[in-house]
Amino acid sequence: KAGVTQTPRYLIKTRGQQVTLSCSPISGHRSVSWYQQTPGQGLQFLFEYFSETQRNKGNFPGRFSGRQFSNSRSEMNVSTLELGDSALYLCASRYSYADSNYGYTFGSGTRLTVV
Amino acid sequence: AQSVTQLDSHVSVSEGTPVLLRCNYSSSYSPSLFWYVQHPNKGLQLLLKYTSAATLVKGINGFEAEFKKSETSFHLTKPSAHMSDAAEYFCVVGENSGGSNYKLTFGKGTLLTVNP
Repeated sequence: KAGVTQTPRYLIKTRGQQVTLSCSPISGHRSVSWYQQTPGQGLQFLFEYFSETQRNKGNFPGRFSGRQFSNSRSEMNVSTLELGDSALYLCASRYSYADSNYGYTFGSGTRLTVV
Repeated sequence: AQSVTQLDSHVSVSEGTPVLLRCNYSSSYSPSLFWYVQHPNKGLQLLLKYTSAATLVKGINGFEAEFKKSETSFHLTKPSAHMSDAAEYFCVVGENSGGSNYKLTFGKGTLLTVNP
């Protein structure tokens, strides 16, 4: 079956712009999480969605937002981009939100460069 | 609160020699523990997971890890390194911190270099 699909793979944006990233989870997976990966901070949790509701949120400013659709696809939006938002954004899906026995499956990521 | 410490930021081995990547964790609850691997410009791939069953966990590509509660460790090993093992490895702890609030915390990663 298809894995987690993230689009686009690469993005270049200018400071002050906004950007939307997309994630399609594995078929049947209802939970989608987003992570930011940078060389300095490593992997940091942004938020997790399940059944179109945000269930958990990391320590990021309100410029970072997300949503999940009824087909479990998720989008992440970053407004008023800053240079420090340049990162690899990873999406991960899992079958069940509450079941910790399931591992997450990650996509290949979207590489965002802010200039 | 949970945390993960990967004790080495970089490990270099020769092809055919054993690999040891060290990970210590702290958790207030009974954690789930994972190892993920990331090849350059790729996403994260699950190598193995511990979820309170057997303490010795076997994963893909010949990797295994042993959960030692007394030492709060979950070190990753492989008997014989292959060139294709060169990548960055992440130790991850997952914890239910009450209700259905489940969260993953990642270590900083260990870059494994395999020399011919």
